[in-house]
Amino acid sequence: ETGVTQTPRHLVMGMTNKKSLKCEQHLGHNAMYWYKQSAKKPLELMFVYSLEERVENNSVPSRFSPECPNSSHLFLHLHTLQPEDSALYLCASSLMTGNGEQFFGPGTRLTVL
Amino acid sequence: AQKITQTQPGMFVQEKEAVTLDCTYDTSDQSYGLFWYKQPSSGEMIFLIYQGSYDEQNATEGRYSLNFQKARKSANLVISASQLGDSAMYFCAMRDGYSSASKIIFGSGTRLSIRP
Repeated sequence: ETGVTQTPRHLVMGMTNKKSLKCEQHLGHNAMYWYKQSAKKPLELMFVYSLEERVENNSVPSRFSPECPNSSHLFLHLHTLQPEDSALYLCASSLMTGNGEQFFGPGTRLTVL
Repeated sequence: AQKITQTQPGMFVQEKEAVTLDCTYDTSDQSYGLFWYKQPSSGEMIFLIYQGSYDEQNATEGRYSLNFQKARKSANLVISASQLGDSAMYFCAMRDGYSSASKIIFGSGTRLSIRP
């Protein structure tokens, strides 16, 4: 595997379900990010992890719970979601040094029924 | 507060023509970075080009170039000799210079459609 991978690519869940999104980066980066992309809205930064520590949490509801066990893996645990949480969830990674460009995974298309 | 503005929600261009996608930004920082990303219908965001605020020359990457006008706070993307595969959403983004992690904010995007 190369680059940034995300699983699953598509997820349909009910409001009472618990599920997790997984992200893995194979680029040797030391920062990872979760973004939410809704229709007709700019990309919204949700969480930032730098050296496995959370450094940013942009007022995200507690029904979204991130986990970063090491510099290569990032999870987003989901529980009791709302239909308005349906969106494309993108994971990205970057180096803490240099230009800071982020490399993105293909995203998970989430639908909440 | 930092802000990225893309005023063209959609554009249609004939294949092989050059196209300019507009981006203006607002920041009070002296050190910052500007990016362009491409998002095809598959969803993945693809990094295209980077311009640092202290770079004196405009960045170029193959058919992509960034027209950086610092005084005007604009960072337009120019795609030369457009191809059908260039049809996608394009996002301008900015990183401020002082984050411990490179937090990037994105514009609302421009949907580019290339006509054969």
